[in-house]
Amino acid sequence: EADIYQTPRYLVIGTGKKITLECSQTMGHDKMYWYQQDPGMELHLIHYSYGVNSTEKGDLSSESTVSRIRTEHFPLTLESARPSHTSQYLCASSEFGRNTEAFFGQGTRLTVV
Amino acid sequence: GDSVTQMEGPVTLSEEAFLTINCTYTATGYPSLFWYVQYPGEGLQLLLKATKADDKGSNKGFEATYRKETTSFHLEKGSVQVSDSAVYFCALSDLTSGTYKYIFGTGTRLKVLA
Repeated sequence: EADIYQTPRYLVIGTGKKITLECSQTMGHDKMYWYQQDPGMELHLIHYSYGVNSTEKGDLSSESTVSRIRTEHFPLTLESARPSHTSQYLCASSEFGRNTEAFFGQGTRLTVV
Repeated sequence: GDSVTQMEGPVTLSEEAFLTINCTYTATGYPSLFWYVQYPGEGLQLLLKATKADDKGSNKGFEATYRKETTSFHLEKGSVQVSDSAVYFCALSDLTSGTYKYIFGTGTRLKVLA
């Protein structure tokens, strides 16, 4: 069973609010990722990190930002939520290397009204 | 760049039917290959993986063989159950710009009817 946790599971929030989606893992993985999943199911990488103080933008441009101050923690922040940010957000982590799989959290379903 | 193509769904089967979900890939290097499953309202869970040519990954009755000559990694199960209803993602991990990245297919929804 994967030890990666996301909170909250569901969030409904008004336009213009600042939000932070939490992601924590207890596996000691250096690499962490944020994916946005659209209603058509496709996964889009929006941020990733190689380790503490390392963050990179993913393949899909996103207005969100991330930080990596501790190995186990990789929060995602939206400074001003908009309805276009409504989506499912999935956090994942992995070890380095070709043969290693990614472990996913249960996701946060965000709705901006 | 690297990519994964999997058959579009939804796939609807009766219980105990045979399942095949096709997956092909393009990669510049020598990737590892994965199948993930996503149940409603959940994140993705690793179903099986294969790390070199001709390897067969298997788990919970599901199997997939890494075919380098046809760049394929098709998922099969001999007898599906209602509880197998979910979305299935094929994925690869390959060296891209100096780091390993995961590339996911678009997902195939499976619905199994009792």
